[in-house]
Amino acid sequence: KAGVTQTPRYLIKTRGQQVTLSCSPISGHRSVSWYQQTPGQGLQFLFEYFSETQRNKGNFPGRFSGRQFSNSRSEMNVSTLELGDSALYLCASSLGLNEKLFFGSGTQLSVL
Amino acid sequence: GQQLNQSPQSMFIQEGEDVSMNCTSSSIFNTWLWYKQDPGEGPVLLIALYKAGELTSNGRLTAQFGITRKDSFLNISASIPSDVGIYFCAGQIPRSGSARQLTFGSGTQLTVLP
Repeated sequence: KAGVTQTPRYLIKTRGQQVTLSCSPISGHRSVSWYQQTPGQGLQFLFEYFSETQRNKGNFPGRFSGRQFSNSRSEMNVSTLELGDSALYLCASSLGLNEKLFFGSGTQLSVL
Repeated sequence: GQQLNQSPQSMFIQEGEDVSMNCTSSSIFNTWLWYKQDPGEGPVLLIALYKAGELTSNGRLTAQFGITRKDSFLNISASIPSDVGIYFCAGQIPRSGSARQLTFGSGTQLTVLP
């Protein structure tokens, strides 16, 4: 069974641009969560989707948004990028809400 | 919101030694999880604990869910070089509407010296 797949693995953007990250969950998993990981702040929860609906949201500005498609794949968008958005963005999937989370390898975003 | 205090921040141990790390919180959790992260990869789930007092093993790893539900520890016995990495604890409570609230500790960087 394939694991959680995130694309791209690496991304370099400049301030003010926007970016879209993609996540394909483990087959059969219906919940997808997104986390931001930085050396200073650690792992911070962004949002969780289940059945194409956002079920939970962390304390991030509205520039961070996401969506989930009918096949459970998810995308995350960050608009008007800031230097502080440089981070490893991790996607995790689970069978359902409150089930074990399985993480992808992440997308390393650098904002210059 | 919940905060998790994970200690120690880093550890340097000799191959073959046992190691212990723990997480404490001011809040109660329903679930404790332990993850390991290798450089350039996402965290991998090691052990999940669902009941206060529960003691669970996964090979050389043993973790316990504290009786107060506010703490958990992870032990690694007879460490080997591939144990190197960052270990994270995470506490979880269901929120209303069944949406989880998962809080991660700041991680323990483990280095195993040959």
